[in-house]
Amino acid sequence: DTGVSQDPRHKITKRGQNVTFRCDPISEHNRLYWYRQTLGQGPEFLTYFQNEAQLEKSRLLSDRFSAERPKGSFSTLEIQRTEQGDSAMYLCASSLAVFWEPPTPNEQFFGPGTRLTVL
Amino acid sequence: QKEVEQDPGPLSVPEGAIVSLNCTYSNSAFQYFMWYRQYSRKGPELLMYTYSSGNKEDGRFTAQVDKSSKYISLFIRDSQPSDSATYLCAMSAKSGAGSYQLTFGKGTKLSVIP
Repeated sequence: DTGVSQDPRHKITKRGQNVTFRCDPISEHNRLYWYRQTLGQGPEFLTYFQNEAQLEKSRLLSDRFSAERPKGSFSTLEIQRTEQGDSAMYLCASSLAVFWEPPTPNEQFFGPGTRLTVL
Repeated sequence: QKEVEQDPGPLSVPEGAIVSLNCTYSNSAFQYFMWYRQYSRKGPELLMYTYSSGNKEDGRFTAQVDKSSKYISLFIRDSQPSDSATYLCAMSAKSGAGSYQLTFGKGTKLSVIP
């Protein structure tokens, strides 16, 4: 399977614990995004990487959240001191950017998500 | 007012019907318009994308974008029970940091009844 993969698929934790999620994008994709989706809502943007550089963070990404993408391959999203409001599906997406005209279509391909439940 | 508005439904139609889904948006900077399908407890799956205005057809699916009205649509012809899912519209524009982060609607839950 050459799609985006995420691990774990489900995580149940107690309030105050730290959790870490992993995303493996499609291998040639240089852009990687993290989104959060709560029940009955569409995904909301959290952060964006181009290769290994984290270039944009949403105001939704509090100080308890940190994301990395070492060597521009897989990415991790860590949540420290989890709160019940962090319960959501965390989605990773990747896309391929090319740096010539015409503009790229920006097709983002999503992984299956990690469902986090904070008790 | 949210940047992207989408009626969450639910929408229930008989098999074979034509389904019309739509979204409105307020950010005139949006250039890329997408439709994703999401099955329960799964990640969104890209169905179609359009750059700027116009129509695009792919099999039973047709996407339309009217930038003058800030309105996008997805039509599904000859709907099948397997089309039952949540349909999310999404759109993007290049940010200052070079990101094309997607802004999603809430999603419309569609049920196609055999």
